[in-house]
Amino acid sequence: QKEVEQDPGPLSVPEGAIVSLNCTYSNSAFQYFMWYRQYSRKGPELLMYTYSSGNKEDGRFTAQVDKSSKYISLFIRDSQPSDSATYLCAMSASEDDKIIFGKGTRLHILP
Amino acid sequence: EAQVTQNPRYLITVTGKKLTVTCSQNMNHEYMSWYRQDPGLGLRQIYYSMNVEVTDKGDVPEGYKVSRKEKRNFPLILESPSPNQTSLYFCASSLRAGSYNEQFFGPGTRLTVL
Repeated sequence: QKEVEQDPGPLSVPEGAIVSLNCTYSNSAFQYFMWYRQYSRKGPELLMYTYSSGNKEDGRFTAQVDKSSKYISLFIRDSQPSDSATYLCAMSASEDDKIIFGKGTRLHILP
Repeated sequence: EAQVTQNPRYLITVTGKKLTVTCSQNMNHEYMSWYRQDPGLGLRQIYYSMNVEVTDKGDVPEGYKVSRKEKRNFPLILESPSPNQTSLYFCASSLRAGSYNEQFFGPGTRLTVL
């Protein structure tokens, strides 16, 4: 089983819809969870960062971590065409540990 | 403007011809890293540097070299490029190592080795 699994998509949804992006992982030691957004022809940029379980909200974005299921999610409310990008989950076991990236999910928001 | 710059952005070369991809950051970051991104494989770390003169192998270091003589620069060297090194390369930096430090990525270098 791969350490971090992420559906590559592409995922196409109409503008205004709620988007759910997910990753599963196998290492129960992971405690730090991140979501990066990567626009075409650009480098990834940090979108959300959470520690341990629970939810974190930032504007239209909500990151959710369920450590019991080894499952993390990123929800985008009122999706916009400008949200079209590849979203990569990332995680690590400790503050000093290496970050493991998922392969990314390509998201298209249709106007 | 705080940023990570890479050069060149695009490069087509031939097998065996040594090349260097430069990376520079202006944020006084200690930690710098090189990744390659390939379809279906995601981001894989090549080398990283915790500070000046301190470098270490990542997950896929074969065929690559790095150096960190100055804090701001972290060049990636391909001594004898091969076609399997055709990829999109990203340099990244953060204040220090550790997942709680946001990594800032450069714009990427698309390398084709014929």
